[in-house]
Amino acid sequence: QVQLVQSGAEVKKPGASVKVSCKTSGYSFNIFGVSWVRQAPGQGLEWVGWISAADGNTKFAEKFQGRVTMTTDTSTSTAYMELRSLRFDDSAMYYCARDLEGVAAPPSFDYWGRGTLITVSS
Amino acid sequence: DIQMTQSPSTLSASLGDRVTITCRASQAIRSHLNWYRFKAGKAPELLIYGASYLKSGVPSRFSGSGSGTDFTLTISSLQPEDFATYYCHQSYITPHTFGQGTRLGIK
Repeated sequence: QVQLVQSGAEVKKPGASVKVSCKTSGYSFNIFGVSWVRQAPGQGLEWVGWISAADGNTKFAEKFQGRVTMTTDTSTSTAYMELRSLRFDDSAMYYCARDLEGVAAPPSFDYWGRGTLITVSS
Repeated sequence: DIQMTQSPSTLSASLGDRVTITCRASQAIRSHLNWYRFKAGKAPELLIYGASYLKSGVPSRFSGSGSGTDFTLTISSLQPEDFATYYCHQSYITPHTFGQGTRLGIK
């Protein structure tokens, strides 16, 4: 069965970086993309960006441009999201999701990880 | 960015009730509308994709409809596991955007 297992919670100081992993299994990793979505406490869902596991192509929400990097390791079927220059308002649950962009139409996020809680605190 | 307006924000209902949640897009998104269920401590689940297609394995009490700008999610007979938060999501254009969520609670 398709599974996305995310790395554990982290506490970071303002200005630091964090790298979250999303290890996938149960499907051909390099066919699909991975989107990252975050949810701050008491807030709604915010799309961070997308990476194609096929060719490494990426798309990011404008507010994260220049501060986020998304990568994949096809040898371990793992996607990564690194967010730099962390601010207090980056504290949120970060989810990875299998993204059907370019694979199925209309696209959707058909499987999700359970989330990784990132807390930015001084 | 496309704004997604979801209503109601909270909803109270009883087991067996039929409930409907609506989602309106700020511009036409064809049928690129998905619905998810979020429960604390669990991975979010895709319920409906392409506005009206039931994901394999999702109970048939869930249904979706709409196209263009107006969409609905209907749960025909509420079960205990349905008391959760629901989000609509447009995948028509990036940045992907979501409705603000509907928290479905027990009356």
